[in-house]
Amino acid sequence: QQQVKQSPQSLIVQKGGISIINCAYENTAFDYFPWYQQFPGKGPALLIAIRPDVSEKKEGRFTISFNKSAKQFSLHIMDSQPGDSATYFCAAKGLGGTSYGKLTFGQGTILTVHP
Amino acid sequence: NAGVMQNPRHLVRRRGQEARLRCSPMKGHSHVYWYRQLPEEGLKFMVYLQKENIIDESGMPKERFSAEFPKEGPSILRIQQVVRGDSAAYFCASSPGRAATNEKLFFGSGTQLSVL
Repeated sequence: QQQVKQSPQSLIVQKGGISIINCAYENTAFDYFPWYQQFPGKGPALLIAIRPDVSEKKEGRFTISFNKSAKQFSLHIMDSQPGDSATYFCAAKGLGGTSYGKLTFGQGTILTVHP
Repeated sequence: NAGVMQNPRHLVRRRGQEARLRCSPMKGHSHVYWYRQLPEEGLKFMVYLQKENIIDESGMPKERFSAEFPKEGPSILRIQQVVRGDSAAYFCASSPGRAATNEKLFFGSGTQLSVL
């Protein structure tokens, strides 16, 4: 019930293409859904986040789509660039609406953008 | 403005030894979290601390693991009598401590623990 399932495990996209990563969750008490980007040898960095009261959030080339009824959310990277090559993690905040950063992470997606 | 600082970056221990991982949060942050990342897995929550207090240690193994965040100095994650299964990347994160932003975590670069 605490799991967040992420797919695909790896993704290869051509430069300029759209990268799409999907996540699904079971626990309806989750109320904050961030995406993190991690480069090799570095810690994860917050990319974009959404709450379940909106269906979409866009920041530059990055968009989160959120489907509350299906308990799914996805990250779209438009005009993908080689510099976007990294591991991406979706996450969900806590249980029962905790007010602090106890996150449940997906398994990660390794994105490779070919020039 | 330094980010979250973790040291050492790499730590090698033999089975049965102790491992001490240190984390200094971002300036102005009073809340610290420890996460563990096993190979090809996502990060798993271990413990959440405020200065001198453990708030949530529900992800911490009951034995051999402990964490502290003293009034002065860095937060310490201590693993006693390490076993090979403890080999992982350990990440520290911090947050500002204000309710509106307390879920936004800033991660350090991690400590890679290898147990021989």
